[in-house]
Parts: sequence; structure tokens; C-alpha cells
Amino acid sequence: DQQVKQNSPSLSVQEGRISILNCDYTNSMFDYFLWYKKYPAEGPTFLISISSIKDKNEDGRFTVFLNKSAKHLSLHIVPSQPGDSAVYFCAASEGSGNTGKLIFGQGTTLQVKP
Amino acid sequence: GAGVSQSPSNKVTEKGKDVELRCDPISGHTALYWYRQSLGQGLEFLIYFQGNSAPDKSGLPSDRFSAERTGGSVSTLTIQRTQQEDSAVYLCASSPQDRGEQFFGPGTRLTVL
Repeated sequence: DQQVKQNSPSLSVQEGRISILNCDYTNSMFDYFLWYKKYPAEGPTFLISISSIKDKNEDGRFTVFLNKSAKHLSLHIVPSQPGDSAVYFCAASEGSGNTGKLIFGQGTTLQVKP
Repeated sequence: GAGVSQSPSNKVTEKGKDVELRCDPISGHTALYWYRQSLGQGLEFLIYFQGNSAPDKSGLPSDRFSAERTGGSVSTLTIQRTQQEDSAVYLCASSPQDRGEQFFGPGTRLTVL
């Protein structure tokens, strides 16, 4: 039972354009969502997060949008740069009292072409 | 400051052997997590430590897997009688609390022949 799904295994965009990575979840108890970026042979690096009390969080070129009714979140990268090429994972955790363990999607490989 | 470190970075072992994987979390982080990533898959939760206690072991796939944490710091994940399906990258993460951002180490790539 995949509680967090990233249905696009890969995405290719041109440098300077917008990259939009999508993520869907099924567990209505999730209240905190994160995006991680992973380069080969490295551990995931935290990018940005959002609490379920918000619908948008922005940090520089990265913006995360949360649509709770649709159980959907997306990561927007504007403008995209070649160095953004990596695997992007969305992750979710349940509310207070839980252990904080993260449930991850399968990942989307982003390629930004110069 | 130093990040999360893991050793070894790579481990090749024969089926049936035991292996130990080590994680050194960021100093002062009380929460420690183990995950694994099989080929082409997302990260799968294994176990969570708060201090030296493991209140959530729900992700351990079988009783061949165990983990401990000592001194509220270093953690060791042990896999007994390894099987080929244990081949994966094992990732450790730590956090200053049991919610929020987790900081990951580089992982140990385990290959069981």
C-alpha cells in the first residue's frame, strides 16, 4: 500500500523554465510534508517543507503547494538550473504523538537541460 | 559542523553472513532513523530511536534485522544471515526532535552475493 506516490518517474525541462514535480498521498493523518533532493551516491538533502495548516511555502527558487482536499502537493522550481538535476523525493509524516518517521514516494528524476 | 556519517560506505558480503552498519548522528540530535532504499524504489522506514530507546521498530522486515543505539549517539544496524533481497542502500538520519527535517548520511551500499 503506497501511501505517498510520485507518478512521474522522470521529468526533463529546459534551463530557465519552470519544473513542476507532483506528489499524491492517501493517508489523511499526514500533516507535515517535505521535499528532498538526492544526487547519486549521496544521502537525501532537505529542500523545503510545509505544514498542513498552510497551502504554500516559498524559499528562493523553490515553492511547495499543498492541496489537502485533493491530497496533492507539488514542488515548483523557478527558474530551473542544470545543477537542479537530481532525484526528488516527497515525504510525509503523521501528526503529533507519532514518531516522526517519514513515508517517502518513489522519486522523480529531474533533468534540466542547458 | 559535522553531518551524519555512516560506515562502511560499501559492503559486499556473501549470502548467510552477518553484517553491521554504523551510523554517527549529528551531535545533540536525540532522534535517529534508519531507512533503506532498494533499487528504483523510494526510502523505506526501518526503525526509530529516541535516545537509546526504539519506540518504533515497525519497519524492520524480519527478525534477522536488529539495531541498537548507545550513549544517545552511535547506532548500529545488524543484519544476520543476509539474503540477496537485503541488497540495498541503508540510510541513517538524525533530527534534533522527533518532528521536522531529518538530516541524512551518505548511506551504506550493501551487496549480498
